[in-house]
Amino acid sequence: EPEVTQTPSHQVTQMGQEVILRCVPISNHLYFYWYRQILGQKVEFLVSFYNNEISEKSEIFDDQFSVERPDGSNFTLKIRSTKLEDSAMYFCASNARWGGQFFGPGTRLTVL
Amino acid sequence: AQSVTQLDSQVPVFEEAPVELRCNYSSSVSVYLFWYVQYPNQGLQLLLKYLSGSTLVKGINGFEAEFNKSQTSFHLRKPSVHISDTAEYFCAVSDGGNQFYFGTGTSLTVIP
Repeated sequence: EPEVTQTPSHQVTQMGQEVILRCVPISNHLYFYWYRQILGQKVEFLVSFYNNEISEKSEIFDDQFSVERPDGSNFTLKIRSTKLEDSAMYFCASNARWGGQFFGPGTRLTVL
Repeated sequence: AQSVTQLDSQVPVFEEAPVELRCNYSSSVSVYLFWYVQYPNQGLQLLLKYLSGSTLVKGINGFEAEFNKSQTSFHLRKPSVHISDTAEYFCAVSDGGNQFYFGTGTSLTVIP
């Protein structure tokens, strides 16, 4: 069964450093998303991406964040200058058409 | 904006007993409703979804949910739980856009 994959599973970085979280969505999917989940809190929407551009973004997704689909398979989330409060689990999701998103296993980001 | 309320943060239940996890949403427009399950250290897995049609929706692992428009609820039920059902359960809602709004989650613990 096809699945969304994410790498790395755990990323540790120093405050102020740039990180790139990588995702490989399901191959025939067209819509891509990033969410985050701070420990003990609910899952929060960050951004959606379709047709090589951002279609929606939340207030969390400020200028420090960017997304990119550099090739036909990867979908990345970049945080330019990490802050302590960026520590969270980041989930990538995708879907072919509207009706329920498929989530990856997540990347746990720890900012020291 | 949508909002989702999961009133029960923790639900302990004995094995083979029935369980109901409550979800209420606030919206003035048509909504689409979802339940996701998150096992420890894993991503979110879609359990079931309501898009239209029958208000009783059946999902994987023996779970079902009923959409009640007048009560703006989408409670999740299972007639007989197993130890393997121990996980975090998230209700989510969308108004048709790309953004999903998640509840704070309900931690289901099945007691042997």
